[in-house]
Amino acid sequence: KAGVTQTPRYLIKTRGQQVTLSCSPISGHRSVSWYQQTPGQGLQFLFEYFSETQRNKGNFPGRFSGRQFSNSRSEMNVSTLELGDSALYLCASTPQGEVETQYFGPGTRLLVL
Amino acid sequence: KQEVTQIPAALSVPEGENLVLNCSFTDSAIYNLQWFRQDPGKGLTSLLLIQSSQREQTSGRLNASLDKSSGRSTLYIAASQPGDSATYLCAVGRGRNDYKLSFGAGTTVTVRA
Repeated sequence: KAGVTQTPRYLIKTRGQQVTLSCSPISGHRSVSWYQQTPGQGLQFLFEYFSETQRNKGNFPGRFSGRQFSNSRSEMNVSTLELGDSALYLCASTPQGEVETQYFGPGTRLLVL
Repeated sequence: KQEVTQIPAALSVPEGENLVLNCSFTDSAIYNLQWFRQDPGKGLTSLLLIQSSQREQTSGRLNASLDKSSGRSTLYIAASQPGDSATYLCAVGRGRNDYKLSFGAGTTVTVRA
């Protein structure tokens, strides 16, 4: 099976702009989670979608939003970008079942100038 | 709130030495614990997942143990190789169908040839 894919891999934006990141989970996985990784805060949970519904949300401002489509692909959007939003954004897909291993994509590196 | 700590933050060993990486968590009511590897600028690769009912998991040269009551997990890597150089992260899951992971800051391992 193909792994988790994320596009684009790299992005440069300026403050005040908005950005949309995309994640395609492993085929058959209906859950997609998003994380932000920064040197100062480490890995922090943003939100999780399952069957097009947000099932869980982390402690991020409302500028961070997401959605999931019927084919389980997910997008996250960050509006009014701030310098502190520069980070590696990772998504993970998880299969349903007894063993809920999370499989991560390669990430999108966002730089806000 | 679950707090996950990894000590040491960095480790340098000669090739062939066994590695011992520690992870501790404050809330013992966990569902599972997962160990990941991250290479610089890359996504996370799942190494081992231990269910809360298990005491250990093994895969090749890797062995992870879990002591829920004391809030600790240890990852052992036998006969280290330069290719094992990476950052190792542990992450705690809190419930079935609840895919929010709480991550430690990681241990960066360097294996010297």
